Parts: sequence; structure tokens; C-alpha cells
Amino acid sequence: GDSVTQMEGPVTLSEEAFLTINCTYTATGYPSLFWYVQYPGEGLQLLLKATKADDKGSNKGFEATYRKETTSFHLEKGSVQVSDSAVYFCAPHYGGSQGNLIFGKGTKLSVKP
Amino acid sequence: NAGVTQTPKFRVLKTGQSMTLLCAQDMNHEYMYWYRQDPGMGLRLIHYSVGEGTTAKGEVPDGYNVSRLKKQNFLLGLESAAPSQTSVYFCATRPGPNRAYEQYFGPGTRLTVT
Repeated sequence: GDSVTQMEGPVTLSEEAFLTINCTYTATGYPSLFWYVQYPGEGLQLLLKATKADDKGSNKGFEATYRKETTSFHLEKGSVQVSDSAVYFCAPHYGGSQGNLIFGKGTKLSVKP
Repeated sequence: NAGVTQTPKFRVLKTGQSMTLLCAQDMNHEYMYWYRQDPGMGLRLIHYSVGEGTTAKGEVPDGYNVSRLKKQNFLLGLESAAPSQTSVYFCATRPGPNRAYEQYFGPGTRLTVT
């Protein structure tokens, strides 16, 4: 079935470091691709999304590009801040009658001052 | 607009007790979901609903029941709680089936079963 593989954490970075979190998905269809973020003690919220090949989603300095040829949607940020400490989830959505998202296991990011 | 709200925020149950978690939304979304989140397991779908009066099983439905009698509410029931159901439960909504639609999450309910 459809699945997503996300970089295992935890990831610890110093402030202003470059961040990459890898995400790959199975290519059985043509999903929309999402990154969600969960701050401590909160629910998930949308960080960014891309709905077709070569689209780039961006928000709060984070970016991810829909790469159909490599079935990937890697999350990047050029200079992380302490406030970016959170758990990040990659989530492809394949559509269909069930309308369900598939979530990666999450990558915990800790940014040290 | 409150968005997605969950009641209660915290609960401690003894094994064998029952309870109902309430999810309410004011966004007029068709789809609603219940997930559980456990350390190292990510989010796992328990049940979902694609409209008022409909429900369907997700990945881990055993031990849970749901009802969607009104469009704005989605209830998750535990008939006989077990320690394995200790988890954080999240409700989410979505406008409809379009694959480009995001999900909107509630703040979660932390449940401990002793």
C-alpha cells in the first residue's frame, strides 16, 4: 500500500544552522504533499504543501519541492531558530473516497541557542 | 471561530471504565478523523467520517467506537478502557475529498488508563 518514509530523529542543531529533513513516498499515484508541524503540547498544523510536480511550498522560511522523479519532498530551512523546535511530519495525500492522509513517524527537531 | 475543539483535555481512567471524547468543529467540514499519537509511532488513524451519519474504520479501530450524528460533532468512545489505550488523541477535520485539502487538528486529549 501507500507509504511514506521520513528521516528518523531526533535532530539537534545550533541556532542559524541549515536544516534538511528527508521525506520519500511511494509512487502508486499522484499525491498532494504536506509538511505538518507540532509544537510542544499542541496539535498538528500545516507548515506547507505542494500539489503538483515541481511545485515549491514555502512558509516561515521553510521550503520543500515536489520531486516526482525521485518521489521526494524534503524539508529545508537555511537558518533555524530556537522557536523552530518541534516535531515535523511529512504527509502525502493520495485522495480517493477515503480522503485520508498518510503520516510519517515524525522528526523531532531541537535547536540550541 | 473556535476551529476544532476537543473535550476533555486530560483524563485518567481505570481499566474497564468507559468514556467518550468529543470533537466539535465550526468550519462546516465534511470529513472528520480520530487519531492516536504514541511515542515513536507517529499518528495512527482510528476511525473517520466522510459526512454526517457515516463512519468508517481506520488503521487501529479495535476497542473504539464512533458516532457522527451531527455534522459538527464526532464522538470517540472507549467502552472498556485498557492500559494499551493510554495515548494522546487528536481529532482533525477536512473540507472534503480533494487531495489538495489540508487537515485541521484539535489540541488533543491526553488519556491515561491505569
